[in-house]
Amino acid sequence: AQTVTQSQPEMSVQEAETVTLSCTYDTSESDYYLFWYKQPPSRQMILVIRQEAYKQQNATENRFSVNFQKAAKSFSLKISDSQLGDAAMYFCAYRSPLNTGTASKLTFGTGTRLQVTL
Amino acid sequence: KAGVTQTPRYLIKTRGQQVTLSCSPISGHRSVSWYQQTPGQGLQFLFEYFSETQRNKGNFPGRFSGRQFSNSRSEMNVSTLELGDSALYLCASSPTSGPRGEQFFGPGTRLTVL
Repeated sequence: AQTVTQSQPEMSVQEAETVTLSCTYDTSESDYYLFWYKQPPSRQMILVIRQEAYKQQNATENRFSVNFQKAAKSFSLKISDSQLGDAAMYFCAYRSPLNTGTASKLTFGTGTRLQVTL
Repeated sequence: KAGVTQTPRYLIKTRGQQVTLSCSPISGHRSVSWYQQTPGQGLQFLFEYFSETQRNKGNFPGRFSGRQFSNSRSEMNVSTLELGDSALYLCASSPTSGPRGEQFFGPGTRLTVL
């Protein structure tokens, strides 16, 4: 079974600064998908960024980028120019490829609470 | 396009009762997944429905069940409620069943069992 580990329960960053959230995972599959979701206090889970394991290029979405190290099974999220609206719980998630029985299931890490200070 | 909607948003029940939660996916999405979120266990997968068929199920007791209708709307039912069932229940929809369909989450239903 796949596992996802987020070792940072809480992180703090000053507005306009850069912060990196860590995520590691364990899997025996060679093809899979990784996601970062954001859950603000309103509780609505929002997709931040996704990465396909077969793509070597790191995904980028505006101020959000990932550092995907497949061999190390590491998938960190970098938030640049942090804004007050970035304050939320961030979850790393894993999804198996289509041809597996667990393809429809997201496996989540325990989350990292990000605080953004002035 | 309207997002995933869940009703009700808040629910209070007592032990032993049963409850039904509803989820309406994004128009055109055929896959609906359910997750339970608690402070102790985090986010855990309950089950996924695609075209009215349960395609995957998490490690939850049989008290947790679900179904999907022909319009892709889904319901989740919990019978004989226990205190430990208090949680935020999240529904997520996807255009296809499989990894290329990103999951879009609803706002959740907060269930409190007294």
